[in-house]
Amino acid sequence: EVVLTQSPGTLSLSPGERATLSCRASQSVSGSLLAWYQQKPGQAPRLLIYAASSRATGVPDRFSGSDSGTDFTLTISRLEPEDFAVYYCQHFGGSPWTFGQGTKVEIK
Amino acid sequence: QVQLVQSGAEVRKPGSSVKVSCKASGGTFRTHAISWVRQTPGQGLEWMGGIVPVFGTADYGQMFQGRVTITADESTSTAYIELRSLTSDDTAVYYCARGLEQYRLRGVFDVWGQGTMVTVSA
Repeated sequence: EVVLTQSPGTLSLSPGERATLSCRASQSVSGSLLAWYQQKPGQAPRLLIYAASSRATGVPDRFSGSDSGTDFTLTISRLEPEDFAVYYCQHFGGSPWTFGQGTKVEIK
Repeated sequence: QVQLVQSGAEVRKPGSSVKVSCKASGGTFRTHAISWVRQTPGQGLEWMGGIVPVFGTADYGQMFQGRVTITADESTSTAYIELRSLTSDDTAVYYCARGLEQYRLRGVFDVWGQGTMVTVSA
């Protein structure tokens, strides 16, 4: 089983700042099998990034993803008020498909 | 605009079963996989399994195998998940989610249902 460890647990930032979220896999995984989701309270997750760096339809270009073997990064270039939420990475190669525990981006 | 609408909240006793539905509208139901993902405060997000309706065969996450059944009814564009032998650990929000790709069960979910709260309590 691939364990995804997200860091930090909580990121306290101000609107306009840059957010860098990390997702580390317990073993080497293909970036094509890595996705990022955003979740706001009381809502279902929303797909942001798939195949490590492809933005889903309608996702603003301030969101970007990158990978390097076992380390994956979600970057929000300039935080907008609606970006404060919890972010999850997900891997779906092999079984079981797994999610990270989440990074909460909160307003400083 | 594809939408997934799930059935309402359920309360069950330990040892019983629950069946949750997920009705699709506004898109092509039969060729996109429908997966079920649950969310608990303790375990976070867990993929339970999925099905591509046109193929009819479901695949399940290892920890749910033998206790869960996922089906799809093309005539009503509705997917179902049934979970048996419920314990308090099954108390969670259950989501259905549509796969981005057609004809493949893969873990990129571009449309989600609103979630169904299932509470297991004596």
